[in-house]
Amino acid sequence: GAGVSQSPRYKVTKRGQDVALRCDPISGHVSLYWYRQALGQGPEFLTYFNYEAQQDKSGLPNDRFSAERPEGSISTLTIQRTEQRDSAMYRCASSFSIAGSYNEQFFGPGTRLTVL
Amino acid sequence: ILNVEQSPQSLHVQEGDSTNFTCSFPSSNFYALHWYRWETAKSPEALFVMTLNGDEKKKGRISATLNTKEGYSYLYIKGSQPEDSATYLCAFIDGTGGFKTIFGAGTRLFVKA
Repeated sequence: GAGVSQSPRYKVTKRGQDVALRCDPISGHVSLYWYRQALGQGPEFLTYFNYEAQQDKSGLPNDRFSAERPEGSISTLTIQRTEQRDSAMYRCASSFSIAGSYNEQFFGPGTRLTVL
Repeated sequence: ILNVEQSPQSLHVQEGDSTNFTCSFPSSNFYALHWYRWETAKSPEALFVMTLNGDEKKKGRISATLNTKEGYSYLYIKGSQPEDSATYLCAFIDGTGGFKTIFGAGTRLFVKA
């Protein structure tokens, strides 16, 4: 595709349910990043991948959050046993070269998660 | 804790005014600084990638400078237009092994015609 895509765009779930958010990066982009964004704030780093390897997951809030990118392309961010405080916009971004090069990141449209 | 601060939080200017805002970041372990422009209901889009102390970048009416020794970057907009209204985000890339990206909260610019 032409840009980074994310699905679903909107997700409403009940507290305690698991959710899986998908990111499809720009074709050929090596690095993929996940961010959480509260209303009116800048993106908050969660984790990132170079190819299929998760390089840094220090931003994941707790062990209910996990991410994978098994084939070095599409990535899934999973939140288990969702809580209301998990409600936010979840954005993914990709860059052409490995993180640690100087490339800009291209952002997807985000998934708006609402936990009731 | 890595802290990236942007000021002011918001700015209201008249069309034709020139303006600037600041991004402050840790002066140690600097790897790169990115500026992004983020319009409401859209995704952030990159403006500049800055890597060297003293870097100056320019794109049309928008330019940026970088001082890594003191930990700040300025973004300038010359002759603001209503279409410049957006949130401007800076992102600090930490060079300590992980290359984590830390975003500031942004400066929200409103340009009145």
